Amino acid sequence: GAVVSQHPSWVICKSGTSVKIECRSLDFQATTMFWYRQFPKQSLMLMATSNEGSKATYEQGVEKDKFLINHASLTLSTLTVTSAHPEDSSFYICSASLESTYGYTFGSGTRLTVV
Amino acid sequence: SQELEQSPQSLIVQEGKNLTINCTSSKTLYGLYWYKQKYGEGLIFLMMLQKGGEEKSHEKITAKLDEKKQQSSLHITASQPSHAGIYLCGADFDQAGTALIFGKGTTLSVSS
Repeated sequence: GAVVSQHPSWVICKSGTSVKIECRSLDFQATTMFWYRQFPKQSLMLMATSNEGSKATYEQGVEKDKFLINHASLTLSTLTVTSAHPEDSSFYICSASLESTYGYTFGSGTRLTVV
Repeated sequence: SQELEQSPQSLIVQEGKNLTINCTSSKTLYGLYWYKQKYGEGLIFLMMLQKGGEEKSHEKITAKLDEKKQQSSLHITASQPSHAGIYLCGADFDQAGTALIFGKGTTLSVSS
């Protein structure tokens, strides 16, 4: 089946540094990918929609300069958290829509801790 | 504003008991998805419903979508400790391929 590989699964970084999270579609081409954020005991909140070869569409309230999304190929989308701060600590998860079967597949998520 | 209302927020049931989780939308859905998650881990796909009145079952879990495609329920029969986790309903509203919007989730605990 369609698999999205997300890395790293967890990362600890210092305040002020940047962290890159990668999502790769392993056996299909992902024209569109979605990035979500999840706080403890809360649901998934959509951050942005990433389309291959074009600029990402960010949800209201999400800082595009802080959360840089790049979708340069049909198999890779990246989310870079720039100048990370402790409040950016969260669980980030990516998803891709499956045009062939009408469904969605999710990465395994990245737990980011900023210290 | 939250487009999907999920209830209850949390649920504790005794092993062997049945339970139902509801997901209600303020507008017509295109597709409704049920997932299970343990916080900090990925989502486990349970079922997808698209047609009004549709019902699907897998093992002891049954999901239904009402005729108006605005409400779905997830029913677990004879709950087991392995059913414990966070249940999320997600929906796309406009067309296939748009981002899923999720309800706030239901945390299920099963006591033995």
